[in-house]
Amino acid sequence: AQKVTQAQTEISVVEKEDVTLDCVYETRDTTYYLFWYKQPPSGELVFLIRRNSFDEQNEISGRYSWNFQKSTSSFNFTITASQVVDSAVYFCALSEAYEQGGKLIFGQGTELSVKP
Amino acid sequence: DAGVIQSPRHEVTEMGQEVTLRCKLISGHNSLFWYRQTMMRGLELLIYFNNNVPIDDSGMPEDRFSAKMPNASFSTLKIQPSEPRDSAVYFCASSTRQGRDEQFFGPGTRLTVL
Repeated sequence: AQKVTQAQTEISVVEKEDVTLDCVYETRDTTYYLFWYKQPPSGELVFLIRRNSFDEQNEISGRYSWNFQKSTSSFNFTITASQVVDSAVYFCALSEAYEQGGKLIFGQGTELSVKP
Repeated sequence: DAGVIQSPRHEVTEMGQEVTLRCKLISGHNSLFWYRQTMMRGLELLIYFNNNVPIDDSGMPEDRFSAKMPNASFSTLKIQPSEPRDSAVYFCASSTRQGRDEQFFGPGTRLTVL
């Protein structure tokens, strides 16, 4: 069965520190998609990134970077030089590529608090 | 472009009443997902549709919950009768390519059942 584990429930850092959010997934499929979403205190869910299982290249977008390693079934998210505005709950999610698929399985989320 | 639109944003009702939540997809999207978020259970998928057809409703808690897509751009989630344990934030999301692309979420409906 598919499963996403975010072992870190809460992380607190001071502004400008780097922080890595861990995500480990389980799936029997060879084709699947991984996602990260951000949920700020206002409550909406904001899409950050999508990765398919055939693309293990790391990705960098500004202060954000993602490390995808199939060998360890991990898709970790790093924020460099964190800012107070990064404070949010971050969710990792998995979608399997069924013919009629697409449902997201979410991890429990990691609440990041960035203090000034 | 307008994002996913949900209404109402907040709903307070009494136990036993019928509740209807509404969602408008992003134009051109063909997959629609209903999620529920609670502190205890996190984010869980209730049901999803591809091209107006329900694909998987295994997450619907019980028969009190029903969802429809009367057309390609609109969906409703109905709870009847509502119970206090249904209190949660309900999100609607839409996507293209049967969910292989990213899902865009609406702002959510915060439901409180007294």
